[in-house]
Order: sequence, then C-alpha cells, then structure tokens
Amino acid sequence: DSGVTQTPKHLITATGQRVTLRCSPRSGDLSVYWYQQSLDQGLQFLIQYYNGEERAKGNILERFSAQQFPDLHSELNLSSLELGDSALYFCASSLGVQRQKGGNEQFFGPGTRLTVL
Amino acid sequence: DAKTTQPNSMESNEEEPVHLPCNHSTISGTDYIHWYRQLPSQGPEYVIHGLTSNVNNRMASLAIAEDRKSSTLILHRATLRDAAVYYCILIKTSYDKVIFGPGTSLSVIP
Repeated sequence: DSGVTQTPKHLITATGQRVTLRCSPRSGDLSVYWYQQSLDQGLQFLIQYYNGEERAKGNILERFSAQQFPDLHSELNLSSLELGDSALYFCASSLGVQRQKGGNEQFFGPGTRLTVL
Repeated sequence: DAKTTQPNSMESNEEEPVHLPCNHSTISGTDYIHWYRQLPSQGPEYVIHGLTSNVNNRMASLAIAEDRKSSTLILHRATLRDAAVYYCILIKTSYDKVIFGPGTSLSVIP
C-alpha cells in the first residue's frame, strides 16, 4: 500500500459526458501528479501540482483539467469524453518538487479505470 | 525533450542476475535517471535513481555510464515477483517534467 488513494476504482460512462477522478496523496506529500495509461500510448504524464499550484504540464488535452485543493487532495476533470479516453488514470504523490534532491520518489495510487462507451 | 530507449522485453531465469539497459543519449547535465517498475494490475513503484555515480539499494543497483548516455538496472537475483514492466525515466529537474520511456517487460522463468 503506497498510501495514495484514488476513487473511484472503476468508472463507466458514455461519450460526451464529464467525470471527476479524485486522489488523496500520502500524508505529508505536497506534490501530486496525474498520469494516463492506455494500451497504445503507454504511461503518459499529464500534469503536476505542488502545494496547490500547477508546476508542470505534459500531454494533457484541453478537455482535461485538474486542481489541487488546500487539503492537498487533487481532482482530474475529464469532459466531452471520447472513446479514446478509455484508460487507466494514475495519481502519484511525492514530498516536493522534482528539483529537490534530484527528483523525489513518487508513490503511485492503484489507479482509476475509465471506460467510455 | 530527452527520451529514453529500452528493449521491449527480456527474459531471465529465476535466481540469476538481470541487467536491464536504458539509452538516454540526449540526457542533459541536470537530468536524474530514475527507474520504476509496474507489476501486473498495479501502479508503478519506485526502484532506484542516480545522477552520475553508481547507486545501490535493497531492491537493485544502478550502473551509470561515464558519459551518462546509458544506464543499467541490475537485479542481483531475479525472483518471480520481479516479473514486471521496468521504466527508465529522466527527471528534468529544471522543468519538473516527467518523461516515461517505453519500458521493458521482464519475464522470470522458474
């Protein structure tokens, strides 16, 4: 158990809909990262937050957005869903920004499996 | 952006050492080399990381080439539990961006 929790575990929805994925980081971790893992694209970094502020962006679509709240939990919002958005979405947390000590160890949650029908 | 390349798959016999290679020829001076692995149906887990010197921890060793253009993750005695996809990652400390390599699927033969 990494200490990172993600809800829900599974989500089935239809095209065009909007969903929210939730992540609670390990106690004491200030950074939260979101990743998407699909069969054809592998593990893709989406976005990182540190202490409530956006720190880095990866291959995140404009239909997707995220935020980190004052209690440090984070939500990833996916809208206008398409079939291709079906994937595993992982959240990870670490103590701080990557520039500290060469990159902090990231602890990954169990993931949310999104299926878009 | 610096990228990594790894073999798609490798096999090892149980209780033998495994050397997993990673090429990162465009690595910059401040990039750290991280390794993660992903067991079936689980999220990735941290294995080891380093900058220039070889590193050891309870899980594995990391050997980094002198020119830093390649590295090798060494599992000293492979067990069945080590069967996983191993990712070699460059952490760009200057931009906080995380780029995953394609990963190597390691099979361990009993």
